[in-house]
Amino acid sequence: GQQVMQIPQYQHVQEGEDFTTYCNSSTTLSNIQWYKQRPGGHPVFLIQLVKSGEVKKQKRLTFQFGEAKKNSSLHITATQTTDVGTYFCYTGNQFYFGTGTSLTVIP
Amino acid sequence: DAGVIQSPRHEVTEMGQEVTLRCKPISGHNSLFWYRQTMMRGLELLIYFNNNVPIDDSGMPEDRFSAKMPNASFSTLKIQPSEPRDSAVYFCASSPGTGEDQPQHFGDGTRLSIL
Repeated sequence: GQQVMQIPQYQHVQEGEDFTTYCNSSTTLSNIQWYKQRPGGHPVFLIQLVKSGEVKKQKRLTFQFGEAKKNSSLHITATQTTDVGTYFCYTGNQFYFGTGTSLTVIP
Repeated sequence: DAGVIQSPRHEVTEMGQEVTLRCKPISGHNSLFWYRQTMMRGLELLIYFNNNVPIDDSGMPEDRFSAKMPNASFSTLKIQPSEPRDSAVYFCASSPGTGEDQPQHFGDGTRLSIL
């Protein structure tokens, strides 16, 4: 079955510090999506990665898809309190959401 | 544009009662998903419809759960009889295409508490 690990489960950072969450699969993925869920809210689509080695940026967020298409990362530079929430990876070919990384930003 | 609309937003009921959750997907979206979210199990896919046809219901916990999509603009998730362990947030999401390579748009969810 699908084995997708997302780490870390929790991350507390001081405002201004960087943050990274990783998604690792035991099988090759056709694509990967990232979502953000604010506390009390619903998941919101951030981005999709399709190509091997792909890197996409959205302001302070950088998304990477590994060369083997088995792992992906989301990096936030200089976190802000508005970045608080849980970040999920999603594998489209298995309809599977990762366990999520809950980010707390300390002002 | 209207997003995915779910009702009710909150539901509190006693165990044994029937619970019906409703979802209106975004117009023109071909795929509809029902998810359950809990602290222990995270975000789990319950069932996935494409063009109103159930494609994958392997995530439906047991026979107490059923889902229907009678037309492209409406879906229901029913629990009968409900149990306390069904307490969770239930999300409906819709997507253009098959949902494999298109973004999913989530509703605000139904927060269900079974006493």
